Amino acid sequence: NAGVTQTPKFQVLKTGQSMTLQCAQDMNHEYMSWYRQDPGMGLRLIHYSVGAGITDQGEVPNGYNVSRSTTEDFPLRLLSAAPSQTSVYFCASMGGGAEFFGPGTRLTVL
Amino acid sequence: GENVEQHPSTLSVQEGDSAVIKCTYSDSASNYFPWYKQELGKRPQLIIDIRSNVGEKKDQRIAVTLNKTAKHFSLHITETQPEDSAVYFCAARVGGTSYGKLTFGQGTILTVHP
Repeated sequence: NAGVTQTPKFQVLKTGQSMTLQCAQDMNHEYMSWYRQDPGMGLRLIHYSVGAGITDQGEVPNGYNVSRSTTEDFPLRLLSAAPSQTSVYFCASMGGGAEFFGPGTRLTVL
Repeated sequence: GENVEQHPSTLSVQEGDSAVIKCTYSDSASNYFPWYKQELGKRPQLIIDIRSNVGEKKDQRIAVTLNKTAKHFSLHITETQPEDSAVYFCAARVGGTSYGKLTFGQGTILTVHP
């Protein structure tokens, strides 16, 4: 049981590039979410999903897209990266009310 | 939407002392309140949680209290140890434990000096 996994661990992009952050969980959780963590800002919700085919926006969705084609996978897409998207990104899935976080992706946009 | 305020932003204690972190929330519909510990460079990890039908919950050296009337909840760590040094986040979920969005406080940096 790997829990929540994320790839890559680190990524450097140039402004305007696109990329997808991968997230997978093997706990059969319906609810998954993406957060970004910036110094002094805590964790802010980007997008979340309550099941395959269902997604919704969180607190800071601009510049990010998500899809949920399977229960296991919840990728986060940056369409045109901006320096303001430099952050640590955490994926999470919820079971029994508690959210379990992946190891995170540290993204730098130059 | 829900708003969670956390205080203090930094807390420094001597080993063996107690530490208390307080959070307030705005939405009276919130009824699930977890606490997370995040060590440097690591993911947040759930350390304790409380639901709105309970006023206090304890797990060894950590405890959480909830005052629904005042809309605040607190984390208490007794007999602190250097390994308790980390960033602690409170959170609140509107709609209980099922599919409600989790809103986090800004975090408290706890430093325990040997």
